[in-house]
Amino acid sequence: KNQVEQSPQSLIILEGKNCTLQCNYTVSPFSNLRWYKQDTGRGPVSLTIMTFSENTKSNGRYTATLDADTKQSSLHITASQLSDSASYICVVSPYQTGANNLFFGTGTRLTVIP
Amino acid sequence: ETGVTQTPRHLVMGMTNKKSLKCEQHLGHNAMYWYKQSAKKPLELMFVYNFKEQTENNSVPSRFSPECPNSSHLFLHLHTLQPEDSALYLCASGPGLAGEPYNEQFFGPGTRLTVL
Repeated sequence: KNQVEQSPQSLIILEGKNCTLQCNYTVSPFSNLRWYKQDTGRGPVSLTIMTFSENTKSNGRYTATLDADTKQSSLHITASQLSDSASYICVVSPYQTGANNLFFGTGTRLTVIP
Repeated sequence: ETGVTQTPRHLVMGMTNKKSLKCEQHLGHNAMYWYKQSAKKPLELMFVYNFKEQTENNSVPSRFSPECPNSSHLFLHLHTLQPEDSALYLCASGPGLAGEPYNEQFFGPGTRLTVL
């Protein structure tokens, strides 16, 4: 069964600290993995997209890693800011011609406090 | 966020009401999507339109009826909903096939629906 699991469910950190969010998936065959940031009351916004051949990708203070062998990804946030408070959603696409389906994790709710 | 807009942003309706959600994309994309987001559950894909043709209907109850008059507009018509249909309804657009590398989906801000 194709699944995407994220941990932790929620996380509270102090402003300025780093944190790492985890994503494990069983989707196969695999095409790409995306991390989205969703602010409260807004739609998800893409942070990174990685294919199976990419191990790491950065977007400012956000760095995503991917291990396609173990089917794990992480999102590392450096020097957190209050504006990083949001839900972070891991999304996996299967490698399937004509596919429109994406597999979504339930997200990690990050709260950055001053 | 101006790429994909949704109206209304908030909607409260009774179980006997009929209402419609509207989505518009200004990105020149060929595919549009409706998703349901409930608390503590993954996003659920409801409907997909490619070039105005419905290509996917993920076993959605008939009380939800989509309409795509052109590649820029997408509607979700609602009637005789149930309280468990209360959720955030997200519209997205994209260049097409989700399985293709780097094919992005751009989301609107969503409509927060409450069914009383």
